[in-house]
Amino acid sequence: GESVGLHLPTLSVQEGDNSIINCAYSNSASDYFIWYKQESGKGPQFIIDIRSNMDKRQGQRVTVLLNKTVKHLSLQIAATQPGDSAVYFCSNRPGNQFYFGTGTSLTVIP
Amino acid sequence: GAGVSQSPRYKVAKRGQDVALRCDPISGHVSLFWYQQALGQGPEFLTYFQNEAQLDKSGLPSDRFFAERPEGSVSTLKIQRTQQEDSAVYLCASSKPGGDTDTQYFGPGTRLTVL
Repeated sequence: GESVGLHLPTLSVQEGDNSIINCAYSNSASDYFIWYKQESGKGPQFIIDIRSNMDKRQGQRVTVLLNKTVKHLSLQIAATQPGDSAVYFCSNRPGNQFYFGTGTSLTVIP
Repeated sequence: GAGVSQSPRYKVAKRGQDVALRCDPISGHVSLFWYQQALGQGPEFLTYFQNEAQLDKSGLPSDRFFAERPEGSVSTLKIQRTQQEDSAVYLCASSKPGGDTDTQYFGPGTRLTVL
């Protein structure tokens, strides 16, 4: 099987600060990882992805870091804004299925 | 363009009733996934289609759950004899593998409440 867990269920940051959300996975066969943002009443929304042959990927205000040695994934959000408040899920894929963690609820304090 | 749509958005069923949940994927997306999301949890995989073929149904919790995608586009998740533990949000996602990304695009979900 597979277990995916986030290190903190909740995270509060001041507007303008950087946010770091962490995730651990167990299956070393995972070849693809995605971070999702889910707002209340909506489905998960793609933020950024990374394949297992990379260790870092940057998007607009977001960076994903992958450490395959310790099976750890992180999402960094620069200059966090109130609109970033949501639940964030990491997801990995060992095979056909995608596995999701339990989510970190990010609250941005104005 | 249009995203993934799901209907109904909300469904209340009495225990023992059958329900059918519909998913309209993004046009041209080959892969379609169904997930169950309990309150406060991440989505859990139920089943996966590639075109009309159901390639993986290992996540379906019991034989009361049935999914189909007869023409390789719209999909229906059917739950027979609903139980209270079936109460959850059912999410559908579609993707078009083979490009730069294998990401799944999710619909808004159907919130099922079984009384």
